[in-house]
Amino acid sequence: EAQVTQNPRYLITVTGKKLTVTCSQNMNHEYMSWYRQDPGLGLRQIYYSMNVEVTDKGDVPEGYKVSRKEKRNFPLILESPSPNQTSLYFCASSLSPGLAGGYEQFFGPGTRLTVL
Amino acid sequence: AQKVTQAQTEISVVEKEDVTLDCVYETRDTTYYLFWYKQPPSGELVFLIRRNSFDEQNEISGRYSWNFQKSTSSFNFTITASQVVDSAVYFCALSGGFSGGYNKLIFGAGTRLAVHP
Repeated sequence: EAQVTQNPRYLITVTGKKLTVTCSQNMNHEYMSWYRQDPGLGLRQIYYSMNVEVTDKGDVPEGYKVSRKEKRNFPLILESPSPNQTSLYFCASSLSPGLAGGYEQFFGPGTRLTVL
Repeated sequence: AQKVTQAQTEISVVEKEDVTLDCVYETRDTTYYLFWYKQPPSGELVFLIRRNSFDEQNEISGRYSWNFQKSTSSFNFTITASQVVDSAVYFCALSGGFSGGYNKLIFGAGTRLAVHP
């Protein structure tokens, strides 16, 4: 079954304790992305990756890191989480976009993070 | 800059009513794509439709229909004969252009639809 998986699904942590949210897709997609969802703001892009070893910032990258060492995996790293990073996080993947984007993105189930 | 506005924060209807969710977008790109996603109470994001900027034909899929009008920069979504299972948050999104990674989706804030029996 084609899918994007994220782990953990729920996480409660404390300020400053490093954490990693994993994301994996089995569709051989080149493009992967992380979004965060906050009430009244919709989803906003944190980081994206066009392919292995190619990553770039989205709209809200502060406080986050990513890596893309394998095509299927795109972990999101919070080196020193703070309460304002409490949010619902989604990983997404899609085919490599054309110059005007356009492909449907497949989303993971979401990770609800609470930073105390 | 690209922007998507969903002015309706919440809509409440009674089952079998028709309901239209509004979406207005802003972009300077001539080629772009518009999407609708559904987020049911379980939280996942479900893809509903993709439309490119060159295709202004309206689309109908069962009880769902979409009206794309470039002249007003709108991509509205209508549910006919709504059902309780339609209760969800609906997001309109835009992608296109060179800013932010080609496939980057710019989401509206979402419209929460509640369908009551």
